Amino acid sequence: DQQVKQNSPSLSVQEGRISILNCDYTNSMFDYFLWYKKYPAEGPTFLISISSIKDKNEDGRFTVFLNKSAKHLSLHIVPSQPGDSAVYFCAASVGGNNDMRFGAGTRLTVKP
Amino acid sequence: GAGVSQSPSNKVTEKGKDVELRCDPISGHTALYWYRQRLGQGLEFLIYFQGNSAPDKSGLPSDRFSAERTGESVSTLTIQRTQQEDSAVYLCASSPSGGALYEQYFGPGTRLTVT
Repeated sequence: DQQVKQNSPSLSVQEGRISILNCDYTNSMFDYFLWYKKYPAEGPTFLISISSIKDKNEDGRFTVFLNKSAKHLSLHIVPSQPGDSAVYFCAASVGGNNDMRFGAGTRLTVKP
Repeated sequence: GAGVSQSPSNKVTEKGKDVELRCDPISGHTALYWYRQRLGQGLEFLIYFQGNSAPDKSGLPSDRFSAERTGESVSTLTIQRTQQEDSAVYLCASSPSGGALYEQYFGPGTRLTVT
């Protein structure tokens, strides 16, 4: 039962353009959402998070948008850089508890 | 400083054998998590240790899976009588006491292949 879905397994964008990574969830109880970034042969590293009391959180080139009614969140990277090439996972939890549910990941390739 | 380390990085085993996976958390981190990621799927929570409290085993998929942690140090995840569906990357993460979810620091993972 995949409660968090990333329907695009891969995305390719040109350097300098915007990258938009999407994530959908089914459990309306989720109230905390995170994005992780993973390079090959390394563990995921935290990128940005958002609480359900907000609909946007920005950190430099990275912005996460949350649409609770659509149960959808997205990560925008602008401008995209070749070093952003990685697999991006979205994750969600209820009340910040330990049972965090992850999506399958989207592989982003930023072409120079 | 040293991050979370896991060993082995790769493990190939025959169906029915037992395997042990090891995680060395960041020194001083009281919380430790195990996840697995099967091909094409997201990370799946398995078990959580916090200090000397009873572990949260709610994610373990069957009684063939068990994990131990002594104090705030190394943890081992044991899979008995391995099955082909156990093939996955097993990830360990640690976090400081009272850390928020985002403060989980992941190891590089152990890729388990059951033939």
